[in-house]
Amino acid sequence: GQQVMQIPQYQHVQEGEDFTTYCNSSTTLSNIQWYKQRPGGHPVFLIQLVKSGEVKKQKRLTFQFGEAKKNSSLHITATQTTDVGTYFCALSGSARQLTFGSGTQLTVLP
Amino acid sequence: DAGVTQSPTHLIKTRGQHVTLRCSPISGHKSVSWYQQVLGQGPQFIFQYYEKEERGRGNFPDRFSARQFPNYSSELNVNALLLGDSALYLCASSEATDEAFFGQGTRLTVV
Repeated sequence: GQQVMQIPQYQHVQEGEDFTTYCNSSTTLSNIQWYKQRPGGHPVFLIQLVKSGEVKKQKRLTFQFGEAKKNSSLHITATQTTDVGTYFCALSGSARQLTFGSGTQLTVLP
Repeated sequence: DAGVTQSPTHLIKTRGQHVTLRCSPISGHKSVSWYQQVLGQGPQFIFQYYEKEERGRGNFPDRFSARQFPNYSSELNVNALLLGDSALYLCASSEATDEAFFGQGTRLTVV
């Protein structure tokens, strides 16, 4: 089945700095979803991208889907301590089966 | 409306034992999926049920089984527990959209 590679695995930033995580696939993706999991919590849906070159914004978060639909990114502007957590990309396949990336664990230093 | 609820929240079992985990989806959601999340990794798909029928199965041994009831709640059963089954077990429900709503999970420890 399709898989996605997510980088970096860990990222430490100073509060106020920007953060970006990347999700890459060797095959064309029909869609990609992003989830956030706080420490000790459960994954929470952030967004779904389906169109080539799509860009969506949620306040300080910007999500992009590559033109070739083989990669995606999540960018956070001016990180805050509330942004701490692990960010996962995920593919939605048949039967709504989600295939998750390995995640990027974000630490924000005050 | 209540979100996805799972029980129990924590569980400790001995190797070789059997465990049953329970999930109640969001009201109106007919699709329930189960995921296993080992510490430091992303969730791995185990099963998906829709209208009480299995619609998808991940790469897990036959020791793992599940079912969905007429009220759309679901159970995940794991037989002959191994140490490697220690993980956070997540249930997710969804409806028309692809967005998955996860419960808080059941933390299973096998000793």
